[in-house]
Amino acid sequence: DAGVIQSPRHEVTEMGQEVTLRCKPISGHNSLFWYRQTMMRGLELLIYFNNNVPIDDSGMPEDRFSAKMPNASFSTLKIQPSEPRDSAVYFCASSLRVSYGYTFGSGTRLTVV
Amino acid sequence: SQQGEEDPQALSIQEGENATMNCSYKTSINNLQWYRQNSGRGLVHLILIRSNEREKHSGRLRVTLDTSKKSSSLLITASRAADTASYFCATDARLTGGGNKLTFGTGTQLKVEL
Repeated sequence: DAGVIQSPRHEVTEMGQEVTLRCKPISGHNSLFWYRQTMMRGLELLIYFNNNVPIDDSGMPEDRFSAKMPNASFSTLKIQPSEPRDSAVYFCASSLRVSYGYTFGSGTRLTVV
Repeated sequence: SQQGEEDPQALSIQEGENATMNCSYKTSINNLQWYRQNSGRGLVHLILIRSNEREKHSGRLRVTLDTSKKSSSLLITASRAADTASYFCATDARLTGGGNKLTFGTGTQLKVEL
């Protein structure tokens, strides 16, 4: 298994632009998580899905952020419009069950200028 | 805010020495997990200890959990330069409205010098 696959690895965009981050979880895992990591705030859970259904999105910063999981093998995190304070590394992780260990992707480093 | 707080924030040791990292948390948990993150990479799951367990071993790793003190420790024995990384504890807790949530601590930066 190739693990959790995220794309792109790096994204540089101008303020106000739409950004879409993509994630392919491990096949068979039914829980998917989006985290954001910054020096100031550490690792923050943004949203998680169980069986493709959003369970907890209380960590989504504001309406500019949205996430979808149209099927078991694909999820997106969209920021529209992007702002410089959104600059961070965004991780996707999947798990067989929520109370099991998570497998993380390599992350997308987002820079908004 | 972070559920887990790790101590120390940074640790520097010589190769061959043992490294101990501590984690404290605030709420009741289902389990506690430890992860490693190498610079510029994603997190890697190391070990999971359930709330009814007190100690667990995996290779050179030893994890303890004291639910009465809401604390855990990770011991890495006979450290190697390749162990240099950030280590995070993460607590798995039940959400009030249903579902579970894994919340990460602030991390300990471990540097193992030759």
